Amino acid sequence: GEDVEQSLFLSVREGDSSVINCTYTDSSSTYLYWYKQEPGAGLQLLTYIFSNMDMKQDQRLTVLLNKKDKHLSLRIADTQTGDSAIYFCADLTSGSARQLTFGSGTQLTVLP
Amino acid sequence: NAGVTQTPKFQVLKTGQSMTLQCAQDMNHNSMYWYRQDPGMGLRLIYYSASEGTTDKGEVPNGYNVSRLNKREFSLRLESAAPSQTSVYFCASNRQGGTSGSSDEQYFGPGTRLTVT
Repeated sequence: GEDVEQSLFLSVREGDSSVINCTYTDSSSTYLYWYKQEPGAGLQLLTYIFSNMDMKQDQRLTVLLNKKDKHLSLRIADTQTGDSAIYFCADLTSGSARQLTFGSGTQLTVLP
Repeated sequence: NAGVTQTPKFQVLKTGQSMTLQCAQDMNHNSMYWYRQDPGMGLRLIYYSASEGTTDKGEVPNGYNVSRLNKREFSLRLESAAPSQTSVYFCASNRQGGTSGSSDEQYFGPGTRLTVT
């Protein structure tokens, strides 16, 4: 079956940029998503990118997509302590089921 | 607009007990989903309902049943709880069901934290 992989942990200093990476195997993915989960809460959609794009920018967030390598990244500029959370990459399964396949999540810790 | 709501927020069960997790959405979405979240494993799909009146198995359906009661509500039932079902359960919904051409954002509830002893 298809797979989405992420590294489990990332630590950065406040004010630095964070880059969270994700790889996926489904070559027919149409949309790829980044969700954020704060402690004790559900998942909140941060941003998404359509598969025919290679970059999307939204304020402090930049998403880069390399379809050839099936690699997705999320860059957070000027990382703040409020950005500390788990970040999930997900891709949309092709076909009528429209299911999401999630990575295991990256725990981002922002150090003061 | 409450979005996706789930009850209860926390539950402790003994092995063999049964319970139903409730989920409701007020966004008139067609599709609803149940996931479980375990440490280091991301979210795994248990069951989903692409539209009212239909349900289908996801990646990890064993030990669970679901009911799509109406367009708003999608419940998850554990008939005989096992310690392996200790997890955080999330319900989600999205507006498109089985159609292409949209971002298909899923909206998540706050989760139910279930412990089976």
